[in-house]
Amino acid sequence: EAEVAQSPRYKITEKSQAVAFWCDPISGHATLYWYRQILGQGPELLVQFQDESVVDDSQLPKDRFSAERLKGVDSTLKIQPAELGDSAMYLCASSRRRRGASGSTEAFFGQGTRLTVV
Amino acid sequence: TQLLEQSPQFLSIQEGENLTVYCNSSSVFSSLQWYRQEPGEGPVLLVTVVTGGEVKKLKRLTFQFGDARKDSSLHITAAQPGDTGLYLCAGDRGSTLGRLYFGRGTQLTVWP
Repeated sequence: EAEVAQSPRYKITEKSQAVAFWCDPISGHATLYWYRQILGQGPELLVQFQDESVVDDSQLPKDRFSAERLKGVDSTLKIQPAELGDSAMYLCASSRRRRGASGSTEAFFGQGTRLTVV
Repeated sequence: TQLLEQSPQFLSIQEGENLTVYCNSSSVFSSLQWYRQEPGEGPVLLVTVVTGGEVKKLKRLTFQFGDARKDSSLHITAAQPGDTGLYLCAGDRGSTLGRLYFGRGTQLTVWP
């Protein structure tokens, strides 16, 4: 069964350092999402890609966060510099949904990266 | 402001009891999904509902989409400890972007 792959699973970093997360979506999925989740709460969207293009980054703190999906396949989310408040689970998800297409949006999630900033 | 409100936020019950979790909004959704998430893992899709009034069953779980497509419920019959987890609802408003809006979740604990 196809899965969304994320790495690393866990990351501890000191504040002001740079950190990067990687995601490989399910093959053929056009849409890729990055979410941040505080313990015990629902995921909050950071950025959404359609193929290699960003279609929604309105909630991404662009002064320190960046994301790319250069070839429309795998993606990297970077934080520089990391702050204590960035400690959270970072989730990647993918969906078959194409922009402008009809049909339900079902997202399939990776296992996430648990980030701790100290 | 949360687009999808889930209630209750926490639920702690004994094995064998029944329970219902609610997901409400003032907005209309073209589809709504329910996910379950275990500690340290990503959410896992349980079901998608797309038609107003639709009812779907997954073993002991029953999902219902409101007639007006603004709300949904998840009912679990004879809960088991393996049902413990964070239950999340997520909705698609049918925009061209296909954005998913998540509720804050219901943390369910089922004691043996």
